[in-house]
Amino acid sequence: AQSVTQPDIHITVSEGASLELRCNYSYGATPYLFWYVQSPGQGLQLLLKYFSGDTLVQGIKGFEAEFKRSQSSFNLRKPSVHWSDAAEYFCAVGPAGGTSYGKLTFGQGTILTVHP
Amino acid sequence: DAGVTQSPTHLIKTRGQQVTLRCSPKSGHDTVSWYQQALGQGPQFIFQYYEEEERQRGNFPDRFSGHQFPNYSSELNVNALLLGDSALYLCASSPIRQGASGANVLTFGAGSRLTVL
Repeated sequence: AQSVTQPDIHITVSEGASLELRCNYSYGATPYLFWYVQSPGQGLQLLLKYFSGDTLVQGIKGFEAEFKRSQSSFNLRKPSVHWSDAAEYFCAVGPAGGTSYGKLTFGQGTILTVHP
Repeated sequence: DAGVTQSPTHLIKTRGQQVTLRCSPKSGHDTVSWYQQALGQGPQFIFQYYEEEERQRGNFPDRFSGHQFPNYSSELNVNALLLGDSALYLCASSPIRQGASGANVLTFGAGSRLTVL
């Protein structure tokens, strides 16, 4: 069965500092990979996705992620964090083939706190 | 362009009662998926509807059921509520006709917060 692990439950950074959120997955084949962000009281917003091709993908709000097949990882990065980035971040995997479209498996989430 | 809308935003029920949550998908989307997000957890897939039929289902009991209407909107019903059903219920829509690259890109609503007492 597929699974997603986000090892860090809570991360605190200072505004302007760089950020890396970790994500490891277990999947039978190469999956589709996603990062979502959730602000308090809000639904999930898609930051970026990886389907194929270039393993470094760019997303919205200055975020990027790198797919490393050998490490089964898809870490999210941002060079300089803004106070408005404080939220909860979820990594997710989905099927690249077959018919299970839209059935995503999410990690537990990482809460990001930004200090001024 | 309205995104995914869900109602109600919040509701409180007691154990044993039944609840119905509603979802209108994003314009142009034909598939609706429901997720349950317990406090401190990531969302878990409940089921998905396409062409008014349940297309796939996660590991949830039969107390959880749904429906999709001809206009693609959807309902989630939960019978015999348990305390453990307290959660944020998220609806997501996608365009399955675009194939895997489109159908896997979900647009989420803000959710319905259910509290069971």
